[in-house]
Amino acid sequence: DARVTQTPRHKVTEMGQEVTMRCQPILGHNTVFWYRQTMMQGLELLAYFRNRAPLDDSGMPKDRFSAEMPDATLATLKIQPSEPRDSAVYFCASGYGGNYGYTFGSGTRLTVV
Amino acid sequence: GQQLNQSPQSMFIQEGEDVSMNCTSSSIFNTWLWYKQEPGEGPVLLIALYKAGELTSNGRLTAQFGITRKDSFLNISASIPSDVGIYFCAGQLAGGGNKLTFGTGTQLKVEL
Repeated sequence: DARVTQTPRHKVTEMGQEVTMRCQPILGHNTVFWYRQTMMQGLELLAYFRNRAPLDDSGMPKDRFSAEMPDATLATLKIQPSEPRDSAVYFCASGYGGNYGYTFGSGTRLTVV
Repeated sequence: GQQLNQSPQSMFIQEGEDVSMNCTSSSIFNTWLWYKQEPGEGPVLLIALYKAGELTSNGRLTAQFGITRKDSFLNISASIPSDVGIYFCAGQLAGGGNKLTFGTGTQLKVEL
C-alpha cells in the first residue's frame, strides 16, 4: 500500500528551539495538507499545497510557522521559535486535486517543554 | 472558522449492535468524507460521498450525503470490537477548493 511518510514520529524539544517536521507524500499526488490535532481544537488545517505551490496558509501562525515543498517528494513544516502551546500531533495528508479524499500520514507528536 | 457539528460525541455499545452518527453544518458542502482514527495513527478514509442523496456502502459501513447538502450520516451494522476508534466526518465546502473541514469526532467503544 502507498503511504504518506512523516518524520519524526515523536519530538520533544525545549521552548524556543526550532522544530522541523517532514512529510513524503504518495508518489503522484499533487495536493499536500498540513493539519494539527489537539484535544481542544480537534483537526485544524494549517496549510495546503497544489503542485508544490502554497494555496492557503491562513490557518498557520505566520510569525513562527512556515511550510514549504522544496520538491514533489518532500513537504516541510517548521516552527521557530517553538512554544508550549504548539504541543500537538501534526499530520500531513496527500491526494489528487479534486474530490477523492486524502491519505494521512501517522503524524508527528510534538511536545514543547 | 467553519464548524461541523458531529454527534454523538461518544458511544458505548454492545458487540453486534448497529451504530449511527451524524454530522451537520450551517453551510453547503459538495463533498462529504468519513474517516476513522485509531490511537497513534492518522485518520483513514472510510467512505467518500459526492452527490446530494448519495448512499454508499463499504462493508458494514453505510454513509449518506444529505439532500440539503448540509449533513451526512454514517451507520455501522453489527458492530465488532475492531470498530473501536474515533470517527470523523469531513467536508469540502462548495467553492472552498480542496480544503477539508473536520467534525469534532465520535468516539466509539464496543463492549464484548
